[in-house]
Amino acid sequence: LAKTTQPISMDSYEGQEVNITCSHNNIATNDYITWYQQFPSQGPRFIIQGYKTKVTNEVASLFIPADRKSSTLSLPRVSLSDTAVYYCLVGDGTGRRALTFGSGTRLQVQP
Amino acid sequence: DGGITQSPKYLFRKEGQNVTLSCEQNLNHDAMYWYRQDPGQGLRLIYYSQIVNDFQKGDIAEGYSVSREKKESFPLTVTSAQKNPTAFYLCASSIGRSVLHFGNGTRLTVT
Repeated sequence: LAKTTQPISMDSYEGQEVNITCSHNNIATNDYITWYQQFPSQGPRFIIQGYKTKVTNEVASLFIPADRKSSTLSLPRVSLSDTAVYYCLVGDGTGRRALTFGSGTRLQVQP
Repeated sequence: DGGITQSPKYLFRKEGQNVTLSCEQNLNHDAMYWYRQDPGQGLRLIYYSQIVNDFQKGDIAEGYSVSREKKESFPLTVTSAQKNPTAFYLCASSIGRSVLHFGNGTRLTVT
């Protein structure tokens, strides 16, 4: 079971780039790394997913080193609306194994 | 529109009563999950299911029960044995690769 570790909180200002790192030392071969964003009283929302190297979509980039024991979510030019909790999740999502979230990173973006 | 429906959004019960939270999905996903979230905390896994008629305990299964009689449905019963049932409950489904689709949650209050 891949346990994840993230910083509890981060602060940033509008327009800055934010990098959130997640540690997952015992990631399995079949596991993917997925990042979610959660606002209060809502279910988490998918941001980006990767297996290795770098992935980029319209909202974020995900950097995964060769050993896959960590990953970094990069949010370019954050705005106030990016204030949320961010979770990394590691697993295969088939239901054969538990999908356990870590404590998440609370990002506060200020003007 | 495909998605996950959780009902009701808010639920109030008296202590000592069992209560069942509904979760229905029309995404044709095999895997389904139930999570509990307390204020300011992360998501904790209650139960998960890979296929119909099969489910496994998560990290905090005590005081909860589930059934998976249909692929589309994964109801969660909060029993009177659950010591602190007041929480936000989230249901999710997955077709794999740890990409979870979440419902909007049910906020349960037990007094």
